[in-house]
Parts: sequence; C-alpha cells; structure tokens
Amino acid sequence: QKEVEQNSGPLSVPEGAIASLNCTYSDRGSQSFFWYRQYSGKSPELIMSIYSNGDKEDGRFTAQLNKASQYVSLLIRDSQPSDSATYLCAVNVYVLSNFGNEKLTFGTGTRLTIIP
Amino acid sequence: NAGVTQTPKFQVLKTGQSMTLQCAQDMNHNSMYWYRQDPGMGLRLIYYSASEGTTDKGEVPNGYNVSRLNKREFSLRLESAAPSQTSVYFCASSAGGGNYGYTFGSGTRLTVV
Repeated sequence: QKEVEQNSGPLSVPEGAIASLNCTYSDRGSQSFFWYRQYSGKSPELIMSIYSNGDKEDGRFTAQLNKASQYVSLLIRDSQPSDSATYLCAVNVYVLSNFGNEKLTFGTGTRLTIIP
Repeated sequence: NAGVTQTPKFQVLKTGQSMTLQCAQDMNHNSMYWYRQDPGMGLRLIYYSASEGTTDKGEVPNGYNVSRLNKREFSLRLESAAPSQTSVYFCASSAGGGNYGYTFGSGTRLTVV
C-alpha cells in the first residue's frame, strides 16, 4: 500500500462548479497535511496546510481532514480555468533515520481540468 | 526574496558524464531536500538534510551523492550519469522536518543521452 494515494484523474469540472480532490494516507501518526498546486512545467506551490480535524478555508479553497478515516480533501469553489493544474497531497511521515525523523511524502497527484 | 534557487535550469549529459546540481535558499531554513519527478511516479525523495552538517538517504538514492555545504546550500552530484536519471529535479527547503510545508525551487530538467 502506498503511503499517500490520490486518484490520478484527469478530473474535469465545468467552470464555476466545485472541484473535489481526495487523498488517503496510511500512517496513523501523521500530523501535518498539505496541498500543493503544480502547473505544467512548473514547480509545486503550497496552497493549503491543515493540522486538525475539520475544515480550513482560505478564499475559494477548503481543506478537510478526517484523521479517523485517514483522508484529506481539497475543495475548490467557483472553479476557474486558471485552477487547471495537478494537485499534490503531502503528508508528514515518521521515518527511522540517523537525523531528522519526519519528512513529507507526496501522492502522485490529481490532474484537474476546468472546462470553460 | 529569491526563496530557493536551482541551477542549471536545463542540462543534457552524455551517458557516463558527471555533473552537480546546485541549490541555495535564503529563508534560513534548517532542512533541505532533493526530489526527482517522473511521469506517473510523482515526487520521489533522493536525499535530504535535516540540518547543516547532516545528510540522509531518501527513497531513490542510488547513483547520487549530496553535500550540505552550509546552511544555505545543498548540492546533488551525479557521478556517472545514466539514461534512467533523465528526469526533472527539484530542490526544496523547510523550517524543519515534516511539520512545515516545503518551498520548492524552479527545477532542473536533465536529459541523459
């Protein structure tokens, strides 16, 4: 089982609708969760972080976290063509190592296309 | 405010050649990371440095070496490039561990022929 799983898509959503992106993770000890947006040919950009169960809203974006069910989701309201990108879910994972025992593990991303 | 700077942006190597990818951050971050990104594989961690003077292997370290030169700089070296190392390489930094989001550089697109 992969540590962080996402549906690769593509996910097509009409302009103005709500886009819903989902992510599941396997490490029950994970405490920090992030969503990154990556445009084609560009580097990942952090758009949301969430640490507690429930919802966190920032503009048109809402991150949702359910630790009991081990899933995190991202909702994009009033979707715009500029939201077309790949969205990466990242989860902190504890690892046994000589130095620094936490690092982020990324899902493979969901490609989102907003249809005008 | 430059953030994370990677050089070069593009590189073509012949099989067996060596090269070093440079990364520098100006955010006073403790931790730095090197990832490679391949289609369908997502971001895979090559090496990371939790703090100045330390380095540790990630998921796919074979064929690579790293140096944490100081708190700002973290370089990735390919000693003998292979076609399987054709990829996009990203450097990232964070304030520490996995509790903070990472800031990524713009990437290096490497082709090994």
